Amino acid sequence: RKEVEQDPGPFNVPEGATVAFNCTYSNSASQSFFWYRQDCRKEPKLLMSVYSSGNEDGRFTAQLNRASQYISLLIRDSKLSDSATYLCVVVPRAGNMLTFGGGTRLMVKP
Amino acid sequence: EAGVTQSPTHLIKTRGQQATLRCSPISGHTSVYWYQQALGLGLQFLLWYDEGEERNRGNFPPRFSGRQFPNYSSELNVNALELEDSALYLCASSLPSAGPWGYTFGSGTRLTVV
Repeated sequence: RKEVEQDPGPFNVPEGATVAFNCTYSNSASQSFFWYRQDCRKEPKLLMSVYSSGNEDGRFTAQLNRASQYISLLIRDSKLSDSATYLCVVVPRAGNMLTFGGGTRLMVKP
Repeated sequence: EAGVTQSPTHLIKTRGQQATLRCSPISGHTSVYWYQQALGLGLQFLLWYDEGEERNRGNFPPRFSGRQFPNYSSELNVNALELEDSALYLCASSLPSAGPWGYTFGSGTRLTVV
């Protein structure tokens, strides 16, 4: 079983739609959680951190459920520029290494 | 401020050869991380260097090795190249105190083994 699992998609949505991605992780001792965004053939970039209390950054909302070992990302009012691969990232309790999920591809169509 | 720079951007090698990839961290960052992104496998942690020492290593064979220089730049060496080593190799740097929140990735070296 992979440490971090994501539905690879692709999710094809029209502009303006709301879309949600989920991610599960296997290591209950994981300490920190993130969503990264990766455009085609580019480096990944931090989108947002994820906390149990939930956090929002504009159209993006992230949520962590430690009991279920589940992380979510909600994108409201999708834009064409949101088309990318979204990577769920988990950090173990010891160390700074990132464990990446396989990514979920989002395609926003006009 | 200059970001994380990697060289070369593309590298083509023959199976069995050695490849050397280079990374210059952001000024002031002492930690350098290497990741491999192979097609269909996602990003996988390779190596972490801090203050010239190897701090952790991912699940890769010993032919993947590296080092960090006194100026905190780093080299990744891959010996006895195999076709499946073809991938995008990403370097990231951070301040150790910043933890995973302080990562900045370079744009990567695309290695093709033929």
